[in-house]
Amino acid sequence: DTAVSQTPKYLVTQMGNDKSIKCEQNLGHDTMYWYKQDSKKFLKIMFSYNNKELIINETVPNRFSPKSPDKAHLNLHINSLELGDSAVYFCASSQSKIVGNQPQHFGDGTRLSIL
Amino acid sequence: RKEVEQDPGPFNVPEGATVAFNCTYSNSASQSFFWYRQDCRKEPKLLMSVYSSGNEDGRFTAQLNRASQYISLLIRDSKLSDSATYLCAVNIIGNTGGFKTIFGAGTRLFVKA
Repeated sequence: DTAVSQTPKYLVTQMGNDKSIKCEQNLGHDTMYWYKQDSKKFLKIMFSYNNKELIINETVPNRFSPKSPDKAHLNLHINSLELGDSAVYFCASSQSKIVGNQPQHFGDGTRLSIL
Repeated sequence: RKEVEQDPGPFNVPEGATVAFNCTYSNSASQSFFWYRQDCRKEPKLLMSVYSSGNEDGRFTAQLNRASQYISLLIRDSKLSDSATYLCAVNIIGNTGGFKTIFGAGTRLFVKA
C-alpha cells in the first residue's frame, strides 16, 4: 500500500500553461505539505495544511494555489507556468502540526519540466 | 545565513570506512531533529530521529549538541548501498503555531568497492 501517493509522476508542459498535481495519503495524518526541490537539490517547504486548514504559506508566488478538500488530500494548482517552475514537487504528510517530533512521509515526487 | 547548513560533499569513501557528517542550525528554538536519506531520483526517507542523549541504529549513530547547535551522523562500516544524499532536518515552530521542517541541502556520499 502506498502511504503518500502523488500524480502525475512526470509532467512536461509549455510555458504559460496551467497544471495540477494531486496528492493523497492513507496514513490518517492530519498535516500535509508541498515541497519544491530545485536543480541544486535544495528541498524547500511551500505550503502546509492541517486538517484542511492552511497553516504555512512560504513566500510562494500566488500562481501556486493549494487546495485541500479533506485531510487526506492536498492538491497543487499552478497557473501561467514559468521556466523557473521546473523542479521536483514532493507531497508529504506528518501526524500532526502540534507534535513537533514527527517526521515527514514523502510521496515519490512529480517531475515538472517547462519547455 | 541558511537556517540549516551542511557540507554538500561529495564524500568519496571505500567500503568499510567510517564517515561522519555534520549539520548546523541557526534557530535555537528548534524542537526536533532528523536525518533523512535521499537516493538519486527518489523521495527523501527518514533514516533516524536525533535525540538529545544521542542514539544508535545499527551502523548509524546520531548526536545532537544543542549548545553548539549542531547535529552529526556517523556511519560505520560503510556499504555500497549507503551511497545516497543525507539530508539534515529540524522542526521549528512556524508563525502560525504549527511545526514546519527545514531541510539542509544535503551531503552526497559515494561508497566505492
